[in-house]
Amino acid sequence: AQSVTQLGSHVSVSEGALVLLRCNYSSSVPPYLFWYVQYPNQGLQLLLKYTSAATLVKGINGFEAEFKKSETSFHLTKPSAHMSDAAEYFCAVHTNTGNQFYFGTGTSLTVIP
Amino acid sequence: EAGVAQSPRYKIIEKRQSVAFWCNPISGHATLYWYQQILGQGPKLLIQFQNNGVVDDSQLPKDRFSAERLKGVDSTLKIQPAKLEDSAVYLCASSSTSGGAEQYFGPGTRLTVT
Repeated sequence: AQSVTQLGSHVSVSEGALVLLRCNYSSSVPPYLFWYVQYPNQGLQLLLKYTSAATLVKGINGFEAEFKKSETSFHLTKPSAHMSDAAEYFCAVHTNTGNQFYFGTGTSLTVIP
Repeated sequence: EAGVAQSPRYKIIEKRQSVAFWCNPISGHATLYWYQQILGQGPKLLIQFQNNGVVDDSQLPKDRFSAERLKGVDSTLKIQPAKLEDSAVYLCASSSTSGGAEQYFGPGTRLTVT
């Protein structure tokens, strides 16, 4: 069975500081990987996705993530946090075997002015 | 293009009552998903449709939950009877294909069971 682990349910950073949100997955085959953002009382919005092309994936709002097969990781980063980045972030994995999406438990990002 | 529409946005019912949620996916999207998101957790897939056929409903509590997508467009998710633990946000998403395609999410329906 697939699983997605997001280390740190709450992360706080100062405005302008580096954002690092961690995601590890369990998969025996290269999966599709996604990061979604959820603002309060809204649905999920795709930030970026990895689909076996370049291992460094650039997304919207200045976010990027790097797929590291050896570490089974897909951490999300942003060089400089903005107040508008405060939200809940979800990592998700999908493999063609089983054809299911699995979401992590989410990381709540707080940006301190 | 219009996004994924869901209604109602909020619903409060008593336990043992019934409730239904409606979802209209993005036009032309063949795949439709229903997720349950309990407070503090990530979304959990309940059921996935490909056109009007069920692809995966392994995590759907079939004794009380049902879903249909009769014409392969909009979909309804029903809970009958509701339990306290069903309190959650129910998210609908659609994608143009299955596999690694991006899912587009609706705003969700927040259900409170008292």
